[in-house]
Amino acid sequence: QKEVEQNSGPLSVPEGAIASLNCTYSDRGSQSFFWYRQYSGKSPELIMSIYSNGDKEDGRFTAQLNKASQYVSLLIRDSQPSDSATYLCAVSFTGGGNKLTFGTGTQLKVEL
Amino acid sequence: GAVVSQHPSWVICKSGTSVKIECRSLDFQATTMFWYRQFPKQSLMLMATSNEGSKATYEQGVEKDKFLINHASLTLSTLTVTSAHPEDSSFYICSASGTSDSPLHFGNGTRLTVT
Repeated sequence: QKEVEQNSGPLSVPEGAIASLNCTYSDRGSQSFFWYRQYSGKSPELIMSIYSNGDKEDGRFTAQLNKASQYVSLLIRDSQPSDSATYLCAVSFTGGGNKLTFGTGTQLKVEL
Repeated sequence: GAVVSQHPSWVICKSGTSVKIECRSLDFQATTMFWYRQFPKQSLMLMATSNEGSKATYEQGVEKDKFLINHASLTLSTLTVTSAHPEDSSFYICSASGTSDSPLHFGNGTRLTVT
């Protein structure tokens, strides 16, 4: 069974700190990885996509992918209270096209 | 950026009635759309893949006769919850992308409450 796993949290960080969110996946052949942010009662919003090993930076967000370890992470620098949300890791498994499998999400709380 | 519109944003219906939810891609054509369901404090669970011009592909455990999907055009997919029951109360979200290798974008979701 193809799975995506995340720590449900909550992960609490002080304002201005770096938040580190982690995700592992079961299918070694997966090619596409995404991080979505979901505020309570709202639908997911795409934050980052990453397809190759290494780091990808976009503003305060950095996605890191290590296919050998089947591990993808999201770093949020200078965390703000508005970053408080649930972050969903999503993986497109081999042969699935753009059908995504989601992790259970990590709740992030940025405290003043 | 890609925009996916979903309607209605919320609906309350009585047990036994049917509810239709629409999902539109506003600035791109989508041959494939996906329907997800999310219960409180749980992750998104894929219900079915909606294919333009052909039958939908349902995930294991999802009743195709209860959740009717129609994808009649490249910009519109509909999900009809038939004979709704209180246990169908959930957050239903559609998603789509322009190509098979581009990220999915989500509609705003429909909160269904069955009384």
